[in-house]
Amino acid sequence: QQQVRQSPQSLTVWEGETAILNCSYEDSTFNYFPWYQQFPGEGPALLISIRSVSDKKEDGRFTIFFNKREKKLSLHITDSQPGDSATYFCAASDTNTGKLTFGDGTVLTVKP
Amino acid sequence: AQTIHQWPVAEIKAVGSPLSLGCTIKGKSSPNLYWYWQATGGTLQQLFYSITVGQVESVVQLNLSASRPKDDQFILSTEKLLLSHSGFYLCAWSLDAEQFFGPGTRLTVL
Repeated sequence: QQQVRQSPQSLTVWEGETAILNCSYEDSTFNYFPWYQQFPGEGPALLISIRSVSDKKEDGRFTIFFNKREKKLSLHITDSQPGDSATYFCAASDTNTGKLTFGDGTVLTVKP
Repeated sequence: AQTIHQWPVAEIKAVGSPLSLGCTIKGKSSPNLYWYWQATGGTLQQLFYSITVGQVESVVQLNLSASRPKDDQFILSTEKLLLSHSGFYLCAWSLDAEQFFGPGTRLTVL
């Protein structure tokens, strides 16, 4: 049973549009949710994260919306730029264990 | 500022040969260290983690082993490579919940 699910698998938007990446999880003990951005051939970079006590986290053009009751979260990228084209991973952990569980990723393409 | 270095950058090895990959963290004292494996186009799977020198916990058994000989060093190794070991190996560090990844090592087993 996959603990963290992401959708869609791939997403294409035009420059300037808002990209919405979705994530859901199974384990109710998860309380920390980071999003990572990965370019081909590179290690993932921590983009933004949220803890389960919050329902929204904003950092520039990146915003996480979190719904604890439904065990869902989403990453919104506003004013998308071609440089945002990358694979985005949603992850989840119980901070007591420190074990991060990753989703399968969403490949985002931003067309100029 | 903290830096994380992985070596080698890439490796091509024969099935059955030994392997040693390394990771060094500079600028952080006593970090938690992690090894991850990523198949091409796939997700990240945690393999090992260590919270202190000499102590390593296995998360997934893939005929690999890990060691932490120094506070700032984490080693991944095996005596006999399998084709299934091919992929991207990533080292990460953390002091609390946030994990930060290194540049990775691309391993191709032929």
